[in-house]
Amino acid sequence: DQQVKQNSPSLSVQEGRISILNCDYTNSMFDYFLWYKKYPAEGPTFLISISSIKDKNEDGRFTVFLNKSAKHLSLHIVPSQPGDSAVYFCAATINSGGSNYKLTFGKGTLLTVNP
Amino acid sequence: EPEVTQTPSHQVTQMGQEVILRCVPISNHLYFYWYRQILGQKVEFLVSFYNNEISEKSEIFDDQFSVERPDGSNFTLKIRSTKLEDSAMYFCASRDHKAPNTEAFFGQGTRLTVV
Repeated sequence: DQQVKQNSPSLSVQEGRISILNCDYTNSMFDYFLWYKKYPAEGPTFLISISSIKDKNEDGRFTVFLNKSAKHLSLHIVPSQPGDSAVYFCAATINSGGSNYKLTFGKGTLLTVNP
Repeated sequence: EPEVTQTPSHQVTQMGQEVILRCVPISNHLYFYWYRQILGQKVEFLVSFYNNEISEKSEIFDDQFSVERPDGSNFTLKIRSTKLEDSAMYFCASRDHKAPNTEAFFGQGTRLTVV
């Protein structure tokens, strides 16, 4: 039961261009979404998040867009840099604000930024 | 910058043996989690822990698994009798208790290999 789906296992872009990573979810109860970046042999590192009350959140080169009606979110990286090359995980949770905060992850998208 | 630390980084054990994976969450965080990632698969939730008790656990977290916060700083995951299919990266995470919309911070992981 894939409640969070990242349908593209990999993405390759040129340095300086925009990277767009996509994520779909099926559980309409999810109200908080996060993107994590993971390098090999390291743990996931938090990148950016968005609450369901917003449709956009921006942090430097990273912007996350949320389309609730389509149950779709995307991460835009502009401009892409070689150091951005990593696996990107989309995650979602029902954010009750308490201890019931269970992240459901997608399978990840391997982003390769070519110099 | 505060971080979640996990030890050991790699653990090799024989099938049927008990293993304890250790984590030191970020101090003043009160929500703790274990996740795992089997090679090539997605990161999966195992258990969440708050106020010295399990608040939620997944189907994976059966009677062979247990968690403990033995002192004020450590958070451990014990697998009583390991199976081959327990081989995975195990990630500990912690989260700030103060705000509802906060991210979980992950450790670098322990690679468990059951032979």
